[in-house]
Amino acid sequence: DQQVKQNSPSLSVQEGRISILNCDYTNSMFDYFLWYKKYPAEGPTFLISISSIKDKNEDGRFTVFLNKSAKHLSLHIVPSQPGDSAVYFCAAKGYGGATNKLIFGTGTLLAVQP
Amino acid sequence: SQTIHQWPATLVQPVGSPLSLECTVEGTSNPNLYWYRQAAGRGLQLLFYSVGIGQISSEVPQNLSASRPQDRQFILSSKKLLLSDSGFYLCAWSSMAYEQYFGPGTRLTVT
Repeated sequence: DQQVKQNSPSLSVQEGRISILNCDYTNSMFDYFLWYKKYPAEGPTFLISISSIKDKNEDGRFTVFLNKSAKHLSLHIVPSQPGDSAVYFCAAKGYGGATNKLIFGTGTLLAVQP
Repeated sequence: SQTIHQWPATLVQPVGSPLSLECTVEGTSNPNLYWYRQAAGRGLQLLFYSVGIGQISSEVPQNLSASRPQDRQFILSSKKLLLSDSGFYLCAWSSMAYEQYFGPGTRLTVT
């Protein structure tokens, strides 16, 4: 049972346009959500996060939106650049516990075309 | 600043051979440590996590084990590798915040 789902395995966008990456979750006890970016043969790098008490968090070109009623979050990248081409993972943290365990989605490969 | 190291970067091992992957963290104390595996075309699967020296929790039953002999050292091991152990292994750390920070990874190919 996959608790965090990224239903689009890939996305292609023109340079300068908006990229929208989507993520759905099933567990309403998740209280913190994160996005990571991963290049081939490298470890993921942290991009942006959002607490469940907010519905939007912005950092430069990256904005994460959270819709708790729909159990859905999205990452917007504006404007998209060729260097943004990578696999993007969303992750969720369960409520409580000292381990900060994250549950990751399967990733979406973003290709930004020049 | 904090840094995380993993080695080796790549490894090719025959079926039935032992495995030892090492991860060390610098610049922080008493971090939570994690081992993940990314199989081809799959997401990140949490294998083990540790909240302190000698404290290891396993997330999935498997052919692997983990140890934390020192505060900032995390080791992933196997006595006998299987073909299905092939993948990209990632170590990560976190502090009191929720974000986890990943190492560069080890590409393991079992032949």
